Formats: sequence, C-alpha cells, structure tokens
Amino acid sequence: KNEVEQSPQNLTAQEGEFITINCSYSVGISALHWLQQHPGGGIVSLFMLSSGKKKHGRLIATINIQEKHSSLHITASHPRDSAVYICAVGWAGSYQLTFGKGTKLSVIP
Amino acid sequence: GAVVSQHPSWVICKSGTSVKIECRSLDFQATTMFWYRQFPKQSLMLMATSNEGSKATYEQGVEKDKFLINHASLTLSTLTVTSAHPEDSSFYICSATRLATGSGNTIYFGEGSWLTVV
Repeated sequence: KNEVEQSPQNLTAQEGEFITINCSYSVGISALHWLQQHPGGGIVSLFMLSSGKKKHGRLIATINIQEKHSSLHITASHPRDSAVYICAVGWAGSYQLTFGKGTKLSVIP
Repeated sequence: GAVVSQHPSWVICKSGTSVKIECRSLDFQATTMFWYRQFPKQSLMLMATSNEGSKATYEQGVEKDKFLINHASLTLSTLTVTSAHPEDSSFYICSATRLATGSGNTIYFGEGSWLTVV
C-alpha cells in the first residue's frame, strides 16, 4: 500500500509570498495528482503529473520519480489561494488513488 | 470543460432513514466512478468503485449492504446510505475519470455532499 505524506500540514503566508507544498510517497507510481479543496468541500484537479514539471498560471508542479517526491509551488500567493491542497498518487492502469491528508494553506492579506 | 455534478450538496436525515446521493458526469461518459468519504481533517478514503452495468467493488471495511451503489447509466452513479446512523455523518464525494489521449486521463470530482444524521 502506498503511503502518501504531505508537508507542511498547515501553512500561513502573507499575500505575495512564494509557497511550496511537498508530497512524498513510498511506492513507485505512474501518475500524481495535485488537488485543491475549498472550505465548502468541493475538489478541483490542478495537475496530473507523470514526470517533469507543469505550469498553469501562478501554479507550478514538479515531480521526481526517482526520489518519489513532488512539489506544488504557488507564486505571488493571494488570499483566494487559501484552501487545502491534496496530493494523490496512482497507476495509469488503475483509476484508484491514494490520498495524502492535505496541506491547509491560509494566505493573509 | 467536463463537469461532475453531485446532489444534494448537504442533507440532514433522521437516524434509521435512507439517503441517496447522485453523481452525474455532465458532458462525458464515465464507465467508472468512485465514491469517497472524508472525516474532518482526514484524507479522502475510497469507499467503492462504481462500474456501469455491473456490481460495485467495495473497499475492505465498507459494508456493501449499507452503502448501496448503482451505476445504471454511463453518466449517473448513486450512493444510498441505508439505515443511516449518526456515525455515518461525513462528507461524501464522487469522482469520474475522463479518458483522454496524449496528456493522459483527467479526474473530475463532484462538489461533495455533507451528510448529517440526527
């Protein structure tokens, strides 16, 4: 069973700061997802990675398959980025995912 | 873009009654949908995999007779919590995967349903 660890568990940042959230997993995978969960509970898929790096707006996600590690970066953070960010891993041949506990981000104006 | 819609967003029910939650893929066909529950400050936990036209596959420890799943069409899966008890109070969320070439499959989540059993 894959163990997914996220750090930090909680993060408070000032508006404009550069933010990094980390995710490590124990068993080799073929796909890693970064998800955003807002206070109301709804979840949005931000990225799916199998290698390298992806960028969307102010969000950047990287993955190192050999080190079993991924990072999510937010540049020029904004209060609307406040949410729980969840890392989830799985295999391309299976739709099932194993989820981390999430990182709660609060961006203060 | 693709959207997965879940209904209701929240529901309060009396202990002993049953509650149905719907998960719909609005603009794509989903042969497989997933149901999760999430307790406060905990990870999403997979409850079952819903397969169109066949029986759902339940994770260990999830009572299939209590959490009935029906995936009658390619765009709709339902989760029925039968004989609900206060300990069933939780956040339930579904997901569906849209098959794609090139960059790979994309997973879409419903908005989730807050269930409170009183």
